[in-house]
Amino acid sequence: AQTVTQSQPEMSVQEAETVTLSCTYDTSENNYYLFWYKQPPSRQMILVIRQEAYKQQNATENRFSVNFQKAAKSFSLKISDSQLGDTAMYFCALGEYKLSFGAGTTVTVRA
Amino acid sequence: DADVTQTPRNRITKTGKRIMLECSQTKGHDRMYWYRQDPGLGLRLIYYSFDVKDINKGEISDGYSVSRQAQAKFSLSLESAIPNQTALYFCATSESRTGPEPQHFGDGTRLSIL
Repeated sequence: AQTVTQSQPEMSVQEAETVTLSCTYDTSENNYYLFWYKQPPSRQMILVIRQEAYKQQNATENRFSVNFQKAAKSFSLKISDSQLGDTAMYFCALGEYKLSFGAGTTVTVRA
Repeated sequence: DADVTQTPRNRITKTGKRIMLECSQTKGHDRMYWYRQDPGLGLRLIYYSFDVKDINKGEISDGYSVSRQAQAKFSLSLESAIPNQTALYFCATSESRTGPEPQHFGDGTRLSIL
């Protein structure tokens, strides 16, 4: 079985500042994949970033980056230069094809 | 047009009714999935299919059934709906190749069972 824990139900950040979302997980697999998805109020599920567990280099997509600590089973998401459009719920997910999701973190960007 | 289309977008129905949620995709992906989203629980996998002849149960399949009518179509049925099946339901697709192929989601069906 695999589990994903997001310990921060809600976070608030000022526009242009940085926010970091935490995610810890547990799996017995040696090779696996990690994802962050964004769900804005429109309820779409949008891929933000992905990480392959066998790659030590942290993934980066524009203002979004991850800190992947495999030994600690931690996969945090950093949003830099936050924008109002970043307001959404963010889900951490684990798996290759059968994804397990965390409970989500609601991020509010204040003007 | 959306790559993954779910119908209906919203549905309100009564306990005991049979309900079908439909999903179609134009992405040409082999793999299709059904999830439900509940507040505080994230998304949980109900069923998944790797091709037309392959159907697999997910984490929470009790009370649900699915049909893969074609590569592009994957429907979810609630044979006798109950209130605790009230949730936001998502269909997703992915390609069948090695690597972290992300899942592509439809816009969801919000289902309320009274």
